[in-house]
Amino acid sequence: QVTLKESGPVLVKPTETLTLTCTVSGFSLSNARMGVSWIRQPPGKALEWLAHIFSNDEKSYSTSLKSRLTISKDTSKSQVVLTMTNMDPVDTATYYCARKLAPYGDDAGYFDYWGQGTLVTVSS
Amino acid sequence: SYELTQPPSVSVSPGQTARITCSGDALPKQYAYWYQQKPGQAPVLVIYKDSERPSGIPERFSGSSSGTTVTLTISGVQAEDEADYYCQSADSSGTFVVFGGGTKLTVL
Repeated sequence: QVTLKESGPVLVKPTETLTLTCTVSGFSLSNARMGVSWIRQPPGKALEWLAHIFSNDEKSYSTSLKSRLTISKDTSKSQVVLTMTNMDPVDTATYYCARKLAPYGDDAGYFDYWGQGTLVTVSS
Repeated sequence: SYELTQPPSVSVSPGQTARITCSGDALPKQYAYWYQQKPGQAPVLVIYKDSERPSGIPERFSGSSSGTTVTLTISGVQAEDEADYYCQSADSSGTFVVFGGGTKLTVL
């Protein structure tokens, strides 16, 4: 049974750094053609992809947020960590981690399992 | 940056057919995927690889592709289908994932 679960602070202050952890089970972070992404959704707004880490440890980041994001993984702990620096109230959102499969050549693939999400509020 | 464009809202009566479009320049090169999201819940995949339906998704959900536009079709809409729907794809290189702006489906 595949599960993902996000954990981290519910409240951060402006200018602080956010650190979120995604703990996965039911699959290995070293499985080929699988990876984990972070996706966020501000209240009442659309989904926004943030970052992805592949099984070979390659990473990709949203162009607009690249300077503030770092994604990493600890395969032995089955955890993927996202850090976002210089938090602002506009970063208030539910943050999801999701498993991405990429089984079709150069196609980016799709998200087959999602965590429940964690709401992070940025406020002083 | 690359964008996918969806209509903000679609409204249909129960039993009718709902069609939600998603447009993007790279769609001829990258597959599209569709997710259903109900309030307070994580998204659920309803269509993959443009037109394939995952197991457990009702047959009334279907997808199609034509050039730079993909379409999610829900035939015989039911009240339980009321939700937000998001298309997802990537830039032509497959490096950067992108979501559409979402479409709120209202069942009248």
